[in-house]
Amino acid sequence: EAGVAQSPRYKIIEKRQSVAFWCNPISGHATLYWYQQILGQGPKLLIQFQNNGVVDDSQLPKDRFSAERLKGVDSTLKIQPAKLEDSAVYLCASSLDPAESSYNSPLHFGNGTRLTVT
Amino acid sequence: TQLLEQSPQFLSIQEGENLTVYCNSSSVFSSLQWYRQEPGEGPVLLVTVVTGGEVKKLKRLTFQFGDARKDSSLHITAAQPGDTGLYLCAGNPDSWGKLQFGAGTQVVVTP
Repeated sequence: EAGVAQSPRYKIIEKRQSVAFWCNPISGHATLYWYQQILGQGPKLLIQFQNNGVVDDSQLPKDRFSAERLKGVDSTLKIQPAKLEDSAVYLCASSLDPAESSYNSPLHFGNGTRLTVT
Repeated sequence: TQLLEQSPQFLSIQEGENLTVYCNSSSVFSSLQWYRQEPGEGPVLLVTVVTGGEVKKLKRLTFQFGDARKDSSLHITAAQPGDTGLYLCAGNPDSWGKLQFGAGTQVVVTP
């Protein structure tokens, strides 16, 4: 099966600019996640969608970050305006069914977008 | 504060040596997962452990879940350069929902 696709792979912007990332999950996966991974740290969940509804966005900095999942398939994550501390790898993941435990519905990650804010 | 503490943060060994990395928490987890992440790629699931005391083997990798389901270890026998990567543990403190990741252990195996 095709994996989780993300683009772009790399992005360099200046602070206060805006940026958008795109994710196409594995076909048929109901749940989509956006994670932020700062260098030297593990991934931190930003937002979780089930189909096109938000399940958890408690750690999303909503004053500057937004995300949508139109039609329950592709998703975009936007940062506006960017800050220096947003420099990180943004990982998208998908899973088949969140109603079951993660044991039965493991996460599949994309290769991420490396964002550098200067 | 990380819910899952991983140690050591960094480990550099020679090919053929053995290594163990640890994942500890004060919380009980319904399951724990181990991922390996290589540079420029996303984490890839290696194994999920569910039962306290459970031991799973994946070729030269041995995973153990603590009896109290608060900790886990990963042991690699006769490490090879291909084992190089960031090893992440992750778990659900409740039966489903938000997966919490540790900060990872960076393993470097030199020929």
